[in-house]
Amino acid sequence: KQEVTQIPAALSVPEGENLVLNCSFTDSAIYNLQWFRQDPGKGLTSLLLIQSSQREQTSGRLNASLDKSSGRSTLYIAASQPGDSATYLCAAAMDSSYKLIFGSGTRLLVRP
Amino acid sequence: SQTIHQWPATLVQPVGSPLSLECTVEGTSNPNLYWYRQAAGRGLQLLFYSVGIGQISSEVPQNLSASRPQDRQFILSSKKLLLSDSGFYLCAWSVGQSSGNTIYFGEGSWLTVV
Repeated sequence: KQEVTQIPAALSVPEGENLVLNCSFTDSAIYNLQWFRQDPGKGLTSLLLIQSSQREQTSGRLNASLDKSSGRSTLYIAASQPGDSATYLCAAAMDSSYKLIFGSGTRLLVRP
Repeated sequence: SQTIHQWPATLVQPVGSPLSLECTVEGTSNPNLYWYRQAAGRGLQLLFYSVGIGQISSEVPQNLSASRPQDRQFILSSKKLLLSDSGFYLCAWSVGQSSGNTIYFGEGSWLTVV
């Protein structure tokens, strides 16, 4: 059974700092892995999706990597801004049904 | 463009009362539809999954049910709510079989059972 873990649970950094959020999974036979952002009381916004055949994806200041052999994915945020403050969730899909298995999230606070 | 609508956004219901949350998707056809729940202090959990009209897969045993009366409509229901049904309910959709296709979430519905 796939389990997804995110560390740390919470993170507070000063504005401008580069940071890395970690996601680990127990079953390497994933279909894809997605990173989402959730603002308080809101739905999820998809940030990056990495297919099982890919190693990384980039969008603006965000870069996500995938290492299936070690069961890890990282989300790198460059030059963090207060607007980046939110909860970041990673989720693994095991097949095309897209039944996602979520981590518990990392709550990020970027201090001005 | 595709959009997803979910309502009501917030509701407070007494224990034992019925529940109906609705979700509709616009701008696409034959989507896969999902209901997730985010309970306090817990991660997102998949409740129901549907690949077509009348086709519902339940992922966890619970007090809830789902229906898909139309291609782009997904309804979450309960006949009698329990306190443990409180949480944040999210509808989502995806299309296709490619591993590059993203899943999209609605804005969610906050349910408090009192």
